[in-house]
Amino acid sequence: AQSVTQLDSQVPVFEEAPVELRCNYSSSVSVYLFWYVQYPNQGLQLLLKYLSGSTLVKGINGFEAEFNKSQTSFHLRKPSVHISDTAEYFCAVSPLNTGGFKTIFGAGTRLFVKA
Amino acid sequence: EAGVTQSPTHLIKTRGQQATLRCSPISGHTSVYWYQQALGLGLQFLLWYDEGEERNRGNFPPRFSGRQFPNYSSELNVNALELEDSALYLCASSSAGMRQTQYFGPGTRLLVL
Repeated sequence: AQSVTQLDSQVPVFEEAPVELRCNYSSSVSVYLFWYVQYPNQGLQLLLKYLSGSTLVKGINGFEAEFNKSQTSFHLRKPSVHISDTAEYFCAVSPLNTGGFKTIFGAGTRLFVKA
Repeated sequence: EAGVTQSPTHLIKTRGQQATLRCSPISGHTSVYWYQQALGLGLQFLLWYDEGEERNRGNFPPRFSGRQFPNYSSELNVNALELEDSALYLCASSSAGMRQTQYFGPGTRLLVL
């Protein structure tokens, strides 16, 4: 079985400051890893994904994440945030070679960017 | 390329009624997933349809059901609505070659009074 822990439920940060949203996972099998963003009153938008290869993954809107297999982490980072990045961010893991129905989502981290 | 679309955007029903939610996947995607996002409960997997068949369901009662049409669009039906069914219902689609990468629609917000 897999599990996902997003270590911070809320992260307040000032505009133009860097931010890191933390995600740890556990799994007995190899997994794909995802970050999604949900803006208020909208669905989830795929930010980035790690399937294989380079452990540093770049996504949309200037976000990137690093897969650390030894620490079973997939933290999301942005060097300089904007007010428009205020949203909820979800980390997700999905075991290889299965249907997407086995994707497990974290509880979400609410990023609040202050002026 | 059009994304996943859902209708209606909002739906208001009363207890005991039935609700029907619709989803159109990205063109070429054959899998459709339904999730419930209730306040404070995160994303809960409801149903997975692929190639017209229900492939898996989450831990929800049978009054949550659906189907997938030959054009891969999907319908979620919730019978005998209860107050706790109030939530955002999200549909996602994925391709046959990469089922784990799901693309989400904007959701249908269901309010049960």
